[in-house]
Amino acid sequence: EAGVAQSPRYKIIEKRQSVAFWCNPISGHATLYWYQQILGQGPKLLIQFQNNGVVDDSQLPKDRFSAERLKGVDSTLKIQPAKLEDSAVYLCASSLGHQETQYFGPGTRLLVL
Amino acid sequence: KQEVTQIPAALSVPEGENLVLNCSFTDSAIYNLQWFRQDPGKGLTSLLLIQSSQREQTSGRLNASLDKSSGRSTLYIAASQPGDSATYLCAVYGGSNYKLTFGKGTLLTVNP
Repeated sequence: EAGVAQSPRYKIIEKRQSVAFWCNPISGHATLYWYQQILGQGPKLLIQFQNNGVVDDSQLPKDRFSAERLKGVDSTLKIQPAKLEDSAVYLCASSLGHQETQYFGPGTRLLVL
Repeated sequence: KQEVTQIPAALSVPEGENLVLNCSFTDSAIYNLQWFRQDPGKGLTSLLLIQSSQREQTSGRLNASLDKSSGRSTLYIAASQPGDSATYLCAVYGGSNYKLTFGKGTLLTVNP
């Protein structure tokens, strides 16, 4: 069974630039999550989708972050414009349902200069 | 607001030693608790999931316990190996919000 795929694996940008991350969840998983993990911290949930609807985006900085999950499968997370404090690892995870085990992708490591 | 604390932040042990990692959480109204492993530059791997009605779960050399009333969980690793070196994260699902809340993790180093 293929795992959660993410791309790119690494990205370096300058502040005020924009960046997008892509996630392909495990086939059949209805729930998809985006997390932000700052160095030395645990992951923090940014947004949760159930199929293609948003369940929770309370911790998403909506003035600069946006996410979509078209057709209830792949998802993209965008930052525009990026700030220095956005430097982190962005993790995508998926699960069969919202109380089920979450399976994580390898993450995208973002460095904002 | 759910808060998860992990102690110690880092642990270094010789190979073969048995060890315990600790996790505490502030809101006991949880659905489940999970232990994850994170290797450098990689994502998280789920090790054990304990439902709120359960007291413990075992997988190989790993045993996780849950005391929901006191807001505590422990991860016991038997006969540690250098390959166990990683960051171990505790996360709880539920409480006042229906989301997974993580601790900061314990960085484990097992020396040959």
